[in-house]
Amino acid sequence: EMQVIESGGDLVRPGGSLRLTCKVSGFDFSSYAMSWVRQAPGKGLEWVSGISGSGGATYNADSVKGRFIVSRDNSKNTLHLQMNGLRVEDTAVYYCAKDFFFNLATGNAFDMWGQGTMVTVSS
Amino acid sequence: QSALTQPASVSGSPGQSITISCTGTNSDLGAYNYVSWYQQHPGKAPKLMIYDVRVRPSGVSNRFSGSKSGNTASLTISGLQPEDEADYYCTSYTSRNTVLFGGGTKVTVV
Repeated sequence: EMQVIESGGDLVRPGGSLRLTCKVSGFDFSSYAMSWVRQAPGKGLEWVSGISGSGGATYNADSVKGRFIVSRDNSKNTLHLQMNGLRVEDTAVYYCAKDFFFNLATGNAFDMWGQGTMVTVSS
Repeated sequence: QSALTQPASVSGSPGQSITISCTGTNSDLGAYNYVSWYQQHPGKAPKLMIYDVRVRPSGVSNRFSGSKSGNTASLTISGLQPEDEADYYCTSYTSRNTVLFGGGTKVTVV
């Protein structure tokens, strides 16, 4: 059975840091791109960051560029999102999403999602 | 980057067909055929309904269909059913190597 499970969400002060982890199982992790997508309370979906199957290419939304770093460890079937310089507007449920394709630049379709982990940025 | 433009809400009666539009620019939707649609029920994770403009993943009902013309993509739901009531989001790859979501459309079955 394919599974995607996020962890690491927490309450953090503005300016603080947090590291999210996504553990997957049931499929060949290194063959697929992965992305982080967030949803602020009562709002729509926003793509945050993506990484190719090999980890050689990473992509970030303008809203998090220079603050968030996406990485993956294919030997451990894990995806990470290092979030630095957190702002109140980063408060959201963060979803880990498996892509149907190897690289975002050649197609993207998020065909498997976790249940999300909540990040709250507040003083 | 601004989100892709979707109507805030669309409604229809059971059995009817509805269409949700998604408008972008020449730098995203108009430049690539990497358009996807997602369905999200309250409190749940999104579900992929369409990718590459018109391709349905295995297990998705053929009542859902996608198309694109110029800078506008569309999702049509035929034979509307109560369980189709949900929020729907479009996405597109962009020339800035990012993925852009639409603002979301709430579908109501009246």
